[in-house]
Amino acid sequence: DADVTQTPRNRITKTGKRIMLECSQTKGHDRMYWYRQDPGLGLRLIYYSFDVKDINKGEISDGYSVSRQAQAKFSLSLESAIPNQTALYFCATSDFRGGYTGELFFGEGSRLTVL
Amino acid sequence: AQTVTQSQPEMSVQEAETVTLSCTYDTSESDYYLFWYKQPPSRQMILVIRQEAYKQQNATENRFSVNFQKAAKSFSLKISDSQLGDAAMYFCAYLRGGSNYKLTFGKGTLLTVNP
Repeated sequence: DADVTQTPRNRITKTGKRIMLECSQTKGHDRMYWYRQDPGLGLRLIYYSFDVKDINKGEISDGYSVSRQAQAKFSLSLESAIPNQTALYFCATSDFRGGYTGELFFGEGSRLTVL
Repeated sequence: AQTVTQSQPEMSVQEAETVTLSCTYDTSESDYYLFWYKQPPSRQMILVIRQEAYKQQNATENRFSVNFQKAAKSFSLKISDSQLGDAAMYFCAYLRGGSNYKLTFGKGTLLTVNP
């Protein structure tokens, strides 16, 4: 089983719908991130959490919200989805307390299509 | 803000040949880390190689090596003896040193390996 699991892997929805992407990890890492990947734009940071009580906006947080339900769980919500939120979304983790190398460990991605 | 530039949107290489992917970055910091990530068609993000800025020696991982030119702010990836499985999108990434910083990615280079 994957260390960082994202659900759903693929989702098609309609404009205006609320969508939640979930991420869980078994790596025991303290830090979790949500990135968005668009063709030609690379990966851009949406939100990140250094601890259960520490949540921060990334460079493109408008239209998104997050919840860190536990150390192992970090969910991303689109309250009212719009077509330009169609993208591949990645959850990632890093281990700061256990010896920080800066390396991110990624889930397998959630492809979201908003019609 | 730090920026990471990958000037080659696409590259191709013949199987068994060597290819170099370019990356430049902009920073005023002296303490930072640089990474190359690989994203094959499966879309999983995989760390290829990591370099600490304070280390003068270029990092090497089997057929993958980097040419780190700190003064020029250049961090290129060399793939030797290219294999079909090397075909992927490659992302260069920068991480500022310290505890509170996040990875910044370039826009990626799509590598095709021709048999």
